Amino acid sequence: RKEVEQDPGPFNVPEGATVAFNCTYSNSASQSFFWYRQDCRKEPKLLMSVYSSGNEDGRFTAQLNRASQYISLLIRDSKLSDSATYLCVVIPNQGGKLIFGQGTELSVKP
Amino acid sequence: NAGVMQNPRHLVRRRGQEARLRCSPMKGHSHVYWYRQLPEEGLKFMVYLQKENIIDESGMPKERFSAEFPKEGPSILRIQQVVRGDSAAYFCASSYIDRPGGDYGYTFGSGTRLTVV
Repeated sequence: RKEVEQDPGPFNVPEGATVAFNCTYSNSASQSFFWYRQDCRKEPKLLMSVYSSGNEDGRFTAQLNRASQYISLLIRDSKLSDSATYLCVVIPNQGGKLIFGQGTELSVKP
Repeated sequence: NAGVMQNPRHLVRRRGQEARLRCSPMKGHSHVYWYRQLPEEGLKFMVYLQKENIIDESGMPKERFSAEFPKEGPSILRIQQVVRGDSAAYFCASSYIDRPGGDYGYTFGSGTRLTVV
């Protein structure tokens, strides 16, 4: 079983749509969780951290369910510029390294 | 603040040659991480270094790959006797404390694209 697993893509949605990405992780002792964004296989960039209480940043909402070892990202009112690969990222208890999911590709069409 | 600097951006090597990838961390960062992204795959952790020390090399292939982060100068990822399967994007990241993450200044460089012909 992979340490971090994401929904297979690609997701093709029209502008203005709401899209949800899911992610599960296998190490129950994992401490920190993030969503990163990667454009055209350039360097990944932090989108947002994910907390148990949930957090929101504009059109983006992230949720963490520790009991189910499940992380989600919701994007509302999709824009063309949201087209990218979204990476679910976990820091294991040992710290130091990031464990990446394989990524989910999103394509927002006019 | 120039960010994490990687060079070269693109590197072409013939099979059997050596590849040297360099990474200069952000100013004030003393922790460096290397990741590899094979075509059509996600990023995979390779090695975590502090100055003059390898902290975690659990993701490094057992042969041909080595990494260092000397007291002076950039971190170097060295691949000896390259093979076609080494063709990938190699990303370096740095942070300033040993519990990295976006909240701790974890920053990626632009990567080196290695092509083995």
